[in-house]
Amino acid sequence: DGGITQSPKYLFRKEGQNVTLSCEQNLNHDAMYWYRQDPGQGLRLIYYSQIVNDFQKGDIAEGYSVSREKKESFPLTVTSAQKNPTAFYLCASSGGTHNSPLHFGNGTRLTVT
Amino acid sequence: RKEVEQDPGPFNVPEGATVAFNCTYSNSASQSFFWYRQDCRKEPKLLMSVYSSGNEDGRFTAQLNRASQYISLLIRDSKLSDSATYLCVADLNQGGKLIFGQGTELSVKP
Repeated sequence: DGGITQSPKYLFRKEGQNVTLSCEQNLNHDAMYWYRQDPGQGLRLIYYSQIVNDFQKGDIAEGYSVSREKKESFPLTVTSAQKNPTAFYLCASSGGTHNSPLHFGNGTRLTVT
Repeated sequence: RKEVEQDPGPFNVPEGATVAFNCTYSNSASQSFFWYRQDCRKEPKLLMSVYSSGNEDGRFTAQLNRASQYISLLIRDSKLSDSATYLCVADLNQGGKLIFGQGTELSVKP
């Protein structure tokens, strides 16, 4: 079955450590996205990528980095520079054309203490 | 002004009620619009795309008003299972940038 896989589901880290969240899709989608969701809030865009080897900052990119070396993979690194990293992280992909909806992975809950 | 803004919630309605949500967007050049449903602690699921002519899927109707720059979602004959947070999404005509509203919580009571 085609879909988006995020791993791990839960992640715990100590403050000051970088951590990388995995996102893989086998939908052959061109576009991939990372969103962050805090309790009781909507989704805020961190980074997005329309094609391989290219990506753009979203509204809250500070303290995060991404790469898009392969079409199916879009890992997100949460660096120690991110002030409040504890959140629910959602990866999504879309066909990248007009009116292509987003398909989401199950998300990763990151807790930093 | 936020790029995509939704009605504040929560909406508490009885079973069988009709409920409507609105979502305004700031970029008049936006082309793509969607409604998503999110259950507690889960990922959002696509409910409907929103087309210029409006579209309907069973008890759900989505409308687009370009002149006033908003989209709407109408839910008829509400069920208990409709209880969730409803999120609107709009593109910003910036190379695929898709932005969510903050979400509106719906609670359908017996």
